Amino acid sequence: RKEVEQDPGPFNVPEGATVAFNCTYSNSASQSFFWYRQDCRKEPKLLMSVYSSGNEDGRFTAQLNRASQYISLLIRDSKLSDSATYLCVVTGGDSSASKIIFGSGTRLSIRP
Amino acid sequence: DAGVTQSPTHLIKTRGQHVTLRCSPISGHKSVSWYQQVLGQGPQFIFQYYEKEERGRGNFPDRFSARQFPNYSSELNVNALLLGDSALYLCASSFLSASSNTDTQYFGPGTRLTVL
Repeated sequence: RKEVEQDPGPFNVPEGATVAFNCTYSNSASQSFFWYRQDCRKEPKLLMSVYSSGNEDGRFTAQLNRASQYISLLIRDSKLSDSATYLCVVTGGDSSASKIIFGSGTRLSIRP
Repeated sequence: DAGVTQSPTHLIKTRGQHVTLRCSPISGHKSVSWYQQVLGQGPQFIFQYYEKEERGRGNFPDRFSARQFPNYSSELNVNALLLGDSALYLCASSFLSASSNTDTQYFGPGTRLTVL
C-alpha cells in the first residue's frame, strides 16, 4: 500500500461546479498536511496547509480527519484557471528524520 | 525577493555519466530538499538537508548524494546515470527549525534531466 494515495482522476467538471478530492495516508504518526497545485511543466506551488480544525481560503476548503487518516480539498464555484494537478503532501511521522511524502496527484480539468 | 533558483534548467546526459544539479534557497531558509518527479507521478523525496546536515533520506540508491554549503545552497549528485533517472529534479527550501519536524516547502522551477 502506498504511504499517500490519491484518486488520479482526471476530474472533468463544468465551470461553476463544486469538486472534492480526498487523499489517504497510512502513517498515523504523520504530523503536517498540505495541498499543492501543479500546472503542466511547472513546479508545485503551495495551495494551503491543512489543520485538524479545517481551514478555508476563499473558494477552497481543506479538512483533516485523523481518525480515518485522510485529508480533503473542496473547490467551490470552480474557474477555468483551477485546471491543474492537485498534490497532497504528508510530512513527519518519524521522530528521527524528516520525511515528506507526496501523493501522485489528482488531475482536474474545468470546462467552459 | 528571489525564490528558489535551480541550475541548469535542462540537461542531457548519456548512460553512465555523472551529473551535478544546483539549488539556491530562498533567503533566510536553512533547509533544502530534493525531489525526483517522473511524468504522471508526484515528486519523490530524495534528501532533506538542514544546517548542512542530512535530516532525511528517501528510498533512492547510493548513486544519489547531496550536500549543503555554508550559504545553504545545495548540490545533488547522481553517478552512473541510468535511463530511468530521466526526470524533473525539484529543489525546495523551507524555514525549518531544529525543533520542528514539519515545514512548508517552496519549490524551484526544476532541472529537467534527460538520460540517453
